[in-house]
Amino acid sequence: QIQLQQSGPGLVKPSETLSLTCAISGDRVSTNSAAWNWIRQSPSRGLEWLGRTYYRSFWYNDYAVSVKGRITINPDTSKNQFSLQLNSVTPEDTAVYYCARAPFITMVRGGWFDPWGQGTLVIVSS
Amino acid sequence: EIVLTQSPGTLSLSPGERATLSCRASQSVTGSYLAWYQQKPGQAPRLLIYGASSRATGIPDRFSGSGSGTDFTLTISRLEPEDFVVYYCQQYGSSPWTFGQGTKVEIK
Repeated sequence: QIQLQQSGPGLVKPSETLSLTCAISGDRVSTNSAAWNWIRQSPSRGLEWLGRTYYRSFWYNDYAVSVKGRITINPDTSKNQFSLQLNSVTPEDTAVYYCARAPFITMVRGGWFDPWGQGTLVIVSS
Repeated sequence: EIVLTQSPGTLSLSPGERATLSCRASQSVTGSYLAWYQQKPGQAPRLLIYGASSRATGIPDRFSGSGSGTDFTLTISRLEPEDFVVYYCQQYGSSPWTFGQGTKVEIK
């Protein structure tokens, strides 16, 4: 059974960097059959896919336009986890952040999200 | 990007009744790459349906999905008390992968 366990701070100051980690059990971050995603949920924006990382002989990343330029998703094969960094945060980035696994279909297709991490409420406030 | 519009926003029904939830896409969803999720308060979404009509592992058969192109439906044949929560659709055929705004199923 694949499980995802999130960790990271729940409070970030405006203009600083939001950092979260998602530890994987029951699968490998370097598997060829999955992509590893970050998604957030807020009352104003609903559920919003932020980006993904996946391995196909090389590491690839795809990011949503809404956060491109501020987001980095990195795999860590030594710890079998992946991370999210979101720079220059504002109160608009306040949300519950989830990591999720998606089966790999093709480089231009996504996948359904299953399983999900438990979620981390991140509040951006001074 | 593909915008998914779910209707109704809220569905008021009684236990044992049939629920029909709609998800309409702003353009055709490639390959019927559409999923449905259930979200209970304080929890992460849970996958119910993928590929428009395939039930995820462990999902009761009272949940079924149908549709193609721009119109998709989630049907709950007989509502159980634990089904009165929020449901989301999601498309994964065209980047960015997007979600609908949700339908809340409430007890009438």
